Amino acid sequence: QLQLQESGPGLVKASETLSLTCSVSGGSISSSSYYWGWIRQPPGKGLEWIGSIYYSGSTHYNPSLKSRVTISVDTSKKQFSLNLMSVTAADTAIYYCARNSSHFDPWGQGILVTVSS
Amino acid sequence: DIQMTQSPSSLSASVGDRVTITCRASQSIINYLHWYQQKPGKAPSLLIYDAFSLHSGVPSRFSGNGSGTDFTLTISSLQREDFATYYCQQSYSPHSWTFGQGTRVE
Repeated sequence: QLQLQESGPGLVKASETLSLTCSVSGGSISSSSYYWGWIRQPPGKGLEWIGSIYYSGSTHYNPSLKSRVTISVDTSKKQFSLNLMSVTAADTAIYYCARNSSHFDPWGQGILVTVSS
Repeated sequence: DIQMTQSPSSLSASVGDRVTITCRASQSIINYLHWYQQKPGKAPSLLIYDAFSLHSGVPSRFSGNGSGTDFTLTISSLQREDFATYYCQQSYSPHSWTFGQGTRVE
């Protein structure tokens, strides 16, 4: 079945760029029915949608993060990526990738990214 | 932006109890409302989509209801494995998905 797996550094310095990749297996990333999304969860807090990308490269971002976020897709590698610029301690969170239509399913296991000063 | 408000933020229940969680949207979202379960240390998993449709493999003790602005998730008979945090999420706003703040069942 479809599986997603996040990868990337678990520690990022403040003011630098957070970069994560989500690898998709067990299915196509080029399906016309789905977007591919990033969601984050600060420790002990709720879920925040960051943004989503279509296989064609069309993107949609959370307005609160839009100025700092870029999401890209590489269909040949079956991967999509998140770049979040100018990070601060408030960006410390578990970052999840997920397939999304109207809802999010399935999800990757998540990766904890800590922003250090 | 459409705001999603869940109540209560947490609740205490026992095995066998009937549990109901409420999610309210700041404007009508018709039935574009979905529910997730998150256990400690795990990613959220989809329970119910489009307000009342049970996701594949989800036990029938879970049910969803509502339309417009007010929605409920009900667990008819709480099991030990159901102690978790539950989130609602709206998809009415095109390409701008938002979650409720979560309800912890303990």
